[in-house]
Amino acid sequence: NAGVMQNPRHLVRRRGQEARLRCSPMKGHSHVYWYRQLPEEGLKFMVYLQKENIIDESGMPKERFSAEFPKEGPSILRIQQVVRGDSAAYFCASSPARDNYGYTFGSGTRLTVV
Amino acid sequence: GQQLNQSPQSMFIQEGEDVSMNCTSSSIFNTWLWYKQEPGEGPVLLIALYKAGELTSNGRLTAQFGITRKDSFLNISASIPSDVGIYFCAGQHNSGAGSYQLTFGKGTKLSVIP
Repeated sequence: NAGVMQNPRHLVRRRGQEARLRCSPMKGHSHVYWYRQLPEEGLKFMVYLQKENIIDESGMPKERFSAEFPKEGPSILRIQQVVRGDSAAYFCASSPARDNYGYTFGSGTRLTVV
Repeated sequence: GQQLNQSPQSMFIQEGEDVSMNCTSSSIFNTWLWYKQEPGEGPVLLIALYKAGELTSNGRLTAQFGITRKDSFLNISASIPSDVGIYFCAGQHNSGAGSYQLTFGKGTKLSVIP
């Protein structure tokens, strides 16, 4: 049973470009969380989605960031017009139920904005 | 927002020594979790604590959920080189917006000297 798959593992974008980060949850999991980790910091919550629904986006920046989890296919975190401050590791986690504690994280996408 | 204070920030210990790290919070959490993160990877769940006062072991790891639900500690006994990594505490709560998001500490970086 494959774990949470994130791709790409590393992504380099120039300022002003768009970044698309993909997350395929574990088989049978329909709940996805996205977290961001800055260097030397812990992870910070961004958004929680179920299939086709955004449930809690209280951690998402108001502009340039969006997330989706379509009926078919992976969850996507999209960052438009990236800036240097967006450089971070972005982690996705999945769980089979909303209140399943200790959900499983992927290996992350490391975004570098140059 | 909620914050977790994790200490120490880093530790250098001899192989075979015991290790102790802790987290405190000004807020109450329903669940405390301890994760380990290795370079280039996502956090891996070590121990989950669900009840105030609970003491749980996982091999050489022991963790306790404080009686006030505002703190937790993690002990590692007889450390070995593969214990090297960054250990994060995380508190889980119902955000009120329908998600059980995690609040992470800033991590304890453990180095083991053979």
